[in-house]
Amino acid sequence: DVKVTQSSRYLVKRTGEKVFLECVQDMDHENMFWYRQDPGLGLRLIYFSYDVKMKEKGDIPEGYSVSREKKERFSLILESASTNQTSMYLCASSRVLGIPEQYFGPGTRLTVT
Amino acid sequence: SQKIEQNSEALNIQEGKTATLTCNYTNYSPAYLQWYRQDPGRGPVFLLLIRENEKEKRKERLKVTFDTTLKQSLFHITASQPADSATYLCALDSDTGFQKLVFGTGTRLLVSP
Repeated sequence: DVKVTQSSRYLVKRTGEKVFLECVQDMDHENMFWYRQDPGLGLRLIYFSYDVKMKEKGDIPEGYSVSREKKERFSLILESASTNQTSMYLCASSRVLGIPEQYFGPGTRLTVT
Repeated sequence: SQKIEQNSEALNIQEGKTATLTCNYTNYSPAYLQWYRQDPGRGPVFLLLIRENEKEKRKERLKVTFDTTLKQSLFHITASQPADSATYLCALDSDTGFQKLVFGTGTRLLVSP
């Protein structure tokens, strides 16, 4: 069974803290994505990566950075957490060839106080 | 501007009826469109993909149509069951390569017994 796992289901951090969200996939997928999901705004792409050490900005990259040192792992970093980054964060992966469906992790509910 | 629209109001139907959800888009020329199901507190799960040269796709009780002239996709669930209650998201490829998807905000379906 294919799997995307995320390091935490729930996380509470203080304003100004550096926050790391980790995502691991076991499907040998080339593409990995980080989204945030907010009520009424839907899923918005923060960053994605199509290969190790490669990254591309999505629609809302400000305040975030990413790291992909290994094919299976994609990390999202909030350099200095702010209250407007309180959200549900979802990681996904997909293969380059074949049907481009995305496999999602369970999500991390981040609260910044 | 580019936009994907799904009915933000919940759709309430009775068990056994056919549910029809709509996805409209403007200023995109997607090569394909996907539908996902999302349960509360969980990541989306891929259901179906339909390509621009396909009019209709079926999978068990699910049917998707794609009209590139109207810029619209319809998602049907026949013989609906309470277990079909969830939020359904449409997503289309953003035509920028890298298999980036742009998601609608989703429509919540409630099937009552």
